Amino acid sequence: KAGVTQTPRYLIKTRGQQVTLSCSPISGHRSVSWYQQTPGQGLQFLFEYFSETQRNKGNFPGRFSGRQFSNSRSEMNVSTLELGDSALYLCASSLDLVPLGGEQFFGPGTRLTVL
Amino acid sequence: KQEVTQIPAALSVPEGENLVLNCSFTDSAIYNLQWFRQDPGKGLTSLLLIQSSQREQTSGRLNASLDKSSGRSTLYIAASQPGDSATYLCAVGGATNKLIFGTGTLLAVQP
Repeated sequence: KAGVTQTPRYLIKTRGQQVTLSCSPISGHRSVSWYQQTPGQGLQFLFEYFSETQRNKGNFPGRFSGRQFSNSRSEMNVSTLELGDSALYLCASSLDLVPLGGEQFFGPGTRLTVL
Repeated sequence: KQEVTQIPAALSVPEGENLVLNCSFTDSAIYNLQWFRQDPGKGLTSLLLIQSSQREQTSGRLNASLDKSSGRSTLYIAASQPGDSATYLCAVGGATNKLIFGTGTLLAVQP
């Protein structure tokens, strides 16, 4: 069974631009969660999608948004990029909603650098 | 508010040693706890998941225990190897319906 995949793996953008990241969950997994990881803040929860609906949201500004498609694939979008948005963005999938869905499996991440 | 702490922040041991990593959480009303490892610049690899009703889980050389009442989990690694070098993270799933991560323990196993 294929694992969680994320594209692209690396991105370089400039301030003010917007970016879209993609995540394909493990086949059969219906929940997709997104996290931001930085050296200073560690791993922080962005949001969780289940059945094409955002079910939970972390403490991030509205510039961070996402969506989920009928095949459970998910995208997240960051508009008006700031230098502080430079981070490793990780997505994770599980069978059901967190934490009921049990084990979460993570993708390799997208490294975003904002110049 | 759930807070998750991992001690020590960094650990260096010679190859072959048995070692224990610690994870503490402030709210004992958890649903489950998961241990991960992360190699530099990579995603997280799930190691073990312990449900709140369980006391421990084992996978190969890894054993994780959970004591909800004291708000603690430990990850025991037997006969450590250089390939075990990584950052180990614990994450708690509970009433907030999201995983709350600890700050991690950076492990270096010296050959």
